[in-house]
Amino acid sequence: AQSVTQPDIHITVSEGASLELRCNYSYGATPYLFWYVQSPGQGLQLLLKYFSGDTLVQGIKGFEAEFKRSQSSFNLRKPSVHWSDAAEYFCAVASPDTSGTYKYIFGTGTRLKVLA
Amino acid sequence: EAEVAQSPRYKITEKSQAVAFWCDPISGHATLYWYRQILGQGPELLVQFQDESVVDDSQLPKDRFSAERLKGVDSTLKIQPAELGDSAMYLCASSPLWGQGTAEAFFGQGTRLTVV
Repeated sequence: AQSVTQPDIHITVSEGASLELRCNYSYGATPYLFWYVQSPGQGLQLLLKYFSGDTLVQGIKGFEAEFKRSQSSFNLRKPSVHWSDAAEYFCAVASPDTSGTYKYIFGTGTRLKVLA
Repeated sequence: EAEVAQSPRYKITEKSQAVAFWCDPISGHATLYWYRQILGQGPELLVQFQDESVVDDSQLPKDRFSAERLKGVDSTLKIQPAELGDSAMYLCASSPLWGQGTAEAFFGQGTRLTVV
């Protein structure tokens, strides 16, 4: 069965510091991988996605993520964090099922706090 | 830019009352999802539609929850009677079918339900 693990429930970084959020997945084939961000009381916004090809993908707001098949990981990074990046981050995996639709599995999230 | 519309944004209801949420997906998206998100956790799938048909409702508490997408466009999720434990964010998302576009799910702003 598919699963997504985000080992860090909370992360605190100082503004301007670099950031890495970890994500590990379990899936038999190459999955579709996503990172979403959620501000308090809001829906989920897509940061970036990986389907195939270049394993380093660029997203919005200066984020990037690297797919490592050997480690079953899709970690999110940002070189310099801004105070506005404080939010909850979700890693997700998707796969097509027999109905032709996608099934999405989400991790439990990592809450990012940014210190001024 | 096309968006998933949800209403209401906030709902406070007394336990044992009925409550309903509405979602209008992005035009042309065949798949519609209802997720429940408890504070501090990731979204959990309640029900998934392909057009007007239910693809997956295995996690929907059918004794009190119901969902419909009669014309294969907008959808309604109902809870009757509401219980204190139903307090959560209810998120609607949509996506195209496999092979008909990008695989990411697009989320609405959610409905924050508080049962008192």
